[in-house]
Amino acid sequence: DQQVKQNSPSLSVQEGRISILNCDYTNSMFDYFLWYKKYPAEGPTFLISISSIKDKNEDGRFTVFLNKSAKHLSLHIVPSQPGDSAVYFCAATSTTSGTYKYIFGTGTRLKVLA
Amino acid sequence: DVKVTQSSRYLVKRTGEKVFLECVQDMDHENMFWYRQDPGLGLRLIYFSYDVKMKEKGDIPEGYSVSREKKERFSLILESASTNQTSMYLCASSPSTEGNTEAFFGQGTRLTVV
Repeated sequence: DQQVKQNSPSLSVQEGRISILNCDYTNSMFDYFLWYKKYPAEGPTFLISISSIKDKNEDGRFTVFLNKSAKHLSLHIVPSQPGDSAVYFCAATSTTSGTYKYIFGTGTRLKVLA
Repeated sequence: DVKVTQSSRYLVKRTGEKVFLECVQDMDHENMFWYRQDPGLGLRLIYFSYDVKMKEKGDIPEGYSVSREKKERFSLILESASTNQTSMYLCASSPSTEGNTEAFFGQGTRLTVV
């Protein structure tokens, strides 16, 4: 049972436009959400996160939105740049469970076209 | 800077061999994780450890075991390698803190079983 889902395997966006990557989760115990970026043959690198007490977190060109009632989060990249082309994973964890286990989605491959 | 180091970038092993994947972190983190990444399946948790000599099964532990004799080192063992264990293996670590925090990943080990 996939607790964290990314339903779009790929996304293509023109340089300078907005990229929107989506993620859904099923476990209501999740209270901390993260986005990672991964280039081929490298480990994932942390991008941005959000706690369930917030509905938005911004860091430069990256903004994450959380809709708890819909169990949905999204990552917005504005403006998109060719260097943003990578696979993006969302992840979730429950900080109250005591185990700090991170559950990842299947990933979305973003291609930013120059 | 947190550093998570995996002992090999690329490995080729024969079916039936016992395989050891080593991971070392230098930030005194309590939690360590082993994931595998496969196309279309995202990052799936194999095992994790929240303390020395402690381990818990993740979502896909079959065919794997782990060892954590020292805080900084977490080893993944394939008891008898099979071709369906060909994958990218990713080690991660994170601190056990009250606050929210991310996991830090190593560079990955691409394992091919022939």
